[in-house]
Amino acid sequence: DTAVSQTPKYLVTQMGNDKSIKCEQNLGHDTMYWYKQDSKKFLKIMFSYNNKELIINETVPNRFSPKSPDKAHLNLHINSLELGDSAVYFCASSRTEGLAGGPAGELFFGEGSRLTVL
Amino acid sequence: KQEVTQIPAALSVPEGENLVLNCSFTDSAIYNLQWFRQDPGKGLTSLLLIQSSQREQTSGRLNASLDKSSGRSTLYIAASQPGDSATYLCAVGNNNDMRFGAGTRLTVKP
Repeated sequence: DTAVSQTPKYLVTQMGNDKSIKCEQNLGHDTMYWYKQDSKKFLKIMFSYNNKELIINETVPNRFSPKSPDKAHLNLHINSLELGDSAVYFCASSRTEGLAGGPAGELFFGEGSRLTVL
Repeated sequence: KQEVTQIPAALSVPEGENLVLNCSFTDSAIYNLQWFRQDPGKGLTSLLLIQSSQREQTSGRLNASLDKSSGRSTLYIAASQPGDSATYLCAVGNNNDMRFGAGTRLTVKP
């Protein structure tokens, strides 16, 4: 049973296309995240959602639109893909300690989705 | 804004050696700190989680320490093995957020 699962694992597409990456967690966590890992392997947070509500949006172009239909799912849609969007995108989840919007608990990651834009 | 730094960026040691990886952070008002391992082309595997009220955590040959006041954490690996070769990342937890360092790439030579 995979705790945090992302699909697809690999995605190759042309510039200008629109694509989505899906993420699901079965850990009962209430907070989910999208991270981007660039070619230098630096992992940077993009978004975090707590109980379907957007908490963090880190200066990400508005071509990126996360959607959380329920607290077990956080999907990432990317419009008008650019070469610079090529990276590995990781979904993660954690349990929020205490009140909503409180500190993040232990983080669990998916296997990553490698996006290549040609 | 929290900044996390890991030193060294890369480390190569012979098998059997004990080693220390360092992580520093700028904002000491953290909730927790987590160490991860990432193998090439793979996701992140959680190794140890230290809550802000704790000073250290141990799991097998791994020991992580936390000094919040000085903004530092270390990951100690005892009796290193070739299978320990990977990139080690530390992440610092604040409200609904965990910020990562750039990682230390460890190579353990047989």
